[in-house]
Amino acid sequence: DIQLTQSPSFVSASVGDRVTITCRASQGISRYLAWYQQKPGKAPKLLIYAASTLQSGVPARFGGSGSGTEFTLTISSLQPEDFATYYCQQLNSYPFFGGGTTVDIK
Amino acid sequence: QVQLQESGPGLVKPSETLSLTCTVSDGSMSGSRYYWGWTRQPPGEGLEWVASVYYSGNTYYNPSLKSRLTTSVDTSKNQLSLKLTSVTAADSAVYYCARLSPLTANDNPYFSYYVMDVWGQGTTVTVSS
Repeated sequence: DIQLTQSPSFVSASVGDRVTITCRASQGISRYLAWYQQKPGKAPKLLIYAASTLQSGVPARFGGSGSGTEFTLTISSLQPEDFATYYCQQLNSYPFFGGGTTVDIK
Repeated sequence: QVQLQESGPGLVKPSETLSLTCTVSDGSMSGSRYYWGWTRQPPGEGLEWVASVYYSGNTYYNPSLKSRLTTSVDTSKNQLSLKLTSVTAADSAVYYCARLSPLTANDNPYFSYYVMDVWGQGTTVTVSS
């Protein structure tokens, strides 16, 4: 099975900061990757798919990049509503998730 | 906007079978466009993909759960079901159902990725005697 490893697991940041989260795949997955945001007690919300395509309605401060084995989610200017946990997911027949990255208030 | 709603018993005894249902608010289950899936999240932990199923019955199971899992679609009832046998405390989690839609990337409109774009609110299952 292809494993997804996210780093860091936890990041403390302030409003306005630029935040970058990395997701590494144990094997190449081309651009078969999505990013989700989850807030406590809520279902995950799709942010980005195909590594870099922004889902409709998601603010442009969210961006994704990468292909193969290394991917990045960037929040260009952190807003109060962005404090949450972020997960990457491979988009194939076995859509496993990464371990998650929690973005907390500094 | 389509809505998904999970339902099932909140408490299941160890060694018994967990049965969950996800009801889809519109008629999209009967079409050939979507896959449907289950994901779970143990308390304080991350997301774990459980299973995906096509309306025709074609299924994909998490290998770590495959021997205990059955999932199916009933298009006449607009429902997705999950059965997990021989449960233990490790199966305690919030269980989410989701729709997997074929979405196209910005730079390639001829290729689709199946992505979990609509989720239910989740249902909590506790395994305890």
